Amino acid sequence: AQSVAQPEDQVNVAEGNPLTVKCTYSVSGNPYLFWYVQYPNRGLQFLLKYITGDNLVKGSYGFEAEFNKSQTSFHLKKPSALVSDSALYFCAVRDVYSGAGSYQLTFGKGTKLSVIP
Amino acid sequence: AAGVIQSPRHLIKEKRETATLKCYPIPRHDTVYWYQQGPGQDPQFLISFYEKMQSDKGSIPDRFSAQQFSDYHSELNMSSLELGDSALYFCASSLGGGGGTEAFFGQGTRLTVV
Repeated sequence: AQSVAQPEDQVNVAEGNPLTVKCTYSVSGNPYLFWYVQYPNRGLQFLLKYITGDNLVKGSYGFEAEFNKSQTSFHLKKPSALVSDSALYFCAVRDVYSGAGSYQLTFGKGTKLSVIP
Repeated sequence: AAGVIQSPRHLIKEKRETATLKCYPIPRHDTVYWYQQGPGQDPQFLISFYEKMQSDKGSIPDRFSAQQFSDYHSELNMSSLELGDSALYFCASSLGGGGGTEAFFGQGTRLTVV
């Protein structure tokens, strides 16, 4: 079974400050990890993913995420937050060893990011 | 760039009625996924199709069925609707499926059952 935990329901950060949105995962094998962002009444937008290789992954809109296998974490980061980054952020996982038939992405509960001007 | 198109965007149905949601994937994408997102909830995987065949199944109720057609569009059919079916239904598509493939989501259909 695969699962994702986002320990913070809400993160508040001042504009211009660095932001971190936390994510930990649980899989039986190795993970494929994803971050999505959701604006109000909109679909989920893909930000970045980790498959293999470099533990630091860079994505859209200046976001990056660091994969840490020992801590089973995949925290989303941005060096300088913008007010327009305020949205709901979802971490998602897919188990590498779930087999060819596993297409399911399992999402965390989401973290609401508020960037304060 | 073309995105995933879902129709209708909003749908209001009464209990015990049926509903059909449609999804048009990004051109050349061969995999379609359906997710249900309740108010304040994370998206829950319902079902997916790869090359017109069901590829994976999640928490889809027996009252729901789905298929992917020859032109790769997909339809989610929901019967005997219940109040608890009120949710945002997302379709997503990808080129190839599973593994490290990211899915691209549509804007969703908001279903309200009254």
